[in-house]
Amino acid sequence: GNSVTQMEGPVTLSEEAFLTINCTYTATGYPSLFWYVQYPGEGLQLLLKATKADDKGSNKGFEATYRKETTSFHLEKGSVQVSDSAVYFCALSTNTGNQFYFGTGTSLTVIP
Amino acid sequence: GAVVSQHPSRVICKSGTSVKIECRSLDFQATTMFWYRQFPKKSLMLMATSNEGSKATYEQGVEKDKFLINHASLTLSTLTVTSAHPEDSSFYICSAPDPTASSYNEQFFGPGTRLTVL
Repeated sequence: GNSVTQMEGPVTLSEEAFLTINCTYTATGYPSLFWYVQYPGEGLQLLLKATKADDKGSNKGFEATYRKETTSFHLEKGSVQVSDSAVYFCALSTNTGNQFYFGTGTSLTVIP
Repeated sequence: GAVVSQHPSRVICKSGTSVKIECRSLDFQATTMFWYRQFPKKSLMLMATSNEGSKATYEQGVEKDKFLINHASLTLSTLTVTSAHPEDSSFYICSAPDPTASSYNEQFFGPGTRLTVL
């Protein structure tokens, strides 16, 4: 079956610290992988995506590489800001369907 | 970019009443929309696929008589929680496929509706 496992939070970092949020997946076929971010009081927003192995998605300083050999899609940022405080969701979608499978979400708080 | 809205953003109701949640695509048409439920500290779970002009498709374990879905137009889908009980309290989120994408893989999500049943 299809599933996403995401590191549990909450995560608290100081401003300018390095961020890694681990995400691994199980999927049949060749999924597309996503990171969504949910800021307080707002809906999910697409942060970045990768549609095939070895693709690297990047946006706003965040990066994630689609690693088929380790079935992973870890989110990284070299220097976090207070404004990055949010909940981050890893997700996959299979090419054969339209269903998204989400991880449990990781809450990130960045303190000045 | 495309926007999906939900109304209301939060609702509190008494046990036994019905609650309707609207999901609208604001500047694009969506023949298909999706309804998710998010439990505290849990991931989003797909409840059903809303299809304009036909019946919704429900995921296994979701009571179709409990969660009524109507896709009345190309920009509106509604989720009605009938005879709500406290265990129905949750965060409900809808989404619609990105009309510019080549597949359903890319979607826009609404801001969610917080339902609290007393």
